[in-house]
Amino acid sequence: GESVGLHLPTLSVQEGDNSIINCAYSNSASDYFIWYKQESGKGPQFIIDIRSNMDKRQGQRVTVLLNKTVKHLSLQIAATQPGDSAVYFCAENNFGNEKLTFGTGTRLTIIP
Amino acid sequence: GAVVSQHPSRVICKSGTSVKIECRSLDFQATTMFWYRQFPKQSLMLMATSNEGSKATYEQGVEKDKFLINHASLTLSTLTVTSAHPEDSSFYICSARDLERQGAADTQYFGPGTRLTVL
Repeated sequence: GESVGLHLPTLSVQEGDNSIINCAYSNSASDYFIWYKQESGKGPQFIIDIRSNMDKRQGQRVTVLLNKTVKHLSLQIAATQPGDSAVYFCAENNFGNEKLTFGTGTRLTIIP
Repeated sequence: GAVVSQHPSRVICKSGTSVKIECRSLDFQATTMFWYRQFPKQSLMLMATSNEGSKATYEQGVEKDKFLINHASLTLSTLTVTSAHPEDSSFYICSARDLERQGAADTQYFGPGTRLTVL
């Protein structure tokens, strides 16, 4: 079936460095992608989203890149802080389809 | 804005009992709410889509008679785990779509989750 997956299950980054979290998706019909941050014991928190008519979108310290050719998206976090330690999920859907499909998640650990 | 709450945040129950989890949208109306289950170190798996005033739509493999969903108002959906067993122990998370954002970016707002432990 269609799925969204992540390349790396864990990632450790030195505090202050930049981090890149990757995600591959297989549904070529997907046109909307979201990154979520989930801290231990909490629900997912929206970080940033991007539509398929864009290839880059920036937020505060975060940038999402979308490569539709290879069905890949990434989340870049600049100048990482200890509070960035969490599990990050990508999710996708088709506009008009209510359901979100989540990737497997990447645990990001910021090393002080 | 766009706050979703869940109650209780944590519940421990005996095997065979039923547990009700509430999901509320606090500052917006939601015609659609979603229920997810998350096992340790795994991703969120959609269980069902809850629509206000109608029956829920369950994902394949989810027993509708075991996981009863009621969406009685535009701000409240409940999930009842009936005759709970240890394998039902999990983290249950709800999300809600803002009615006024229908047709716009399909952003779901997530609740904080409910940790269910069945002894």
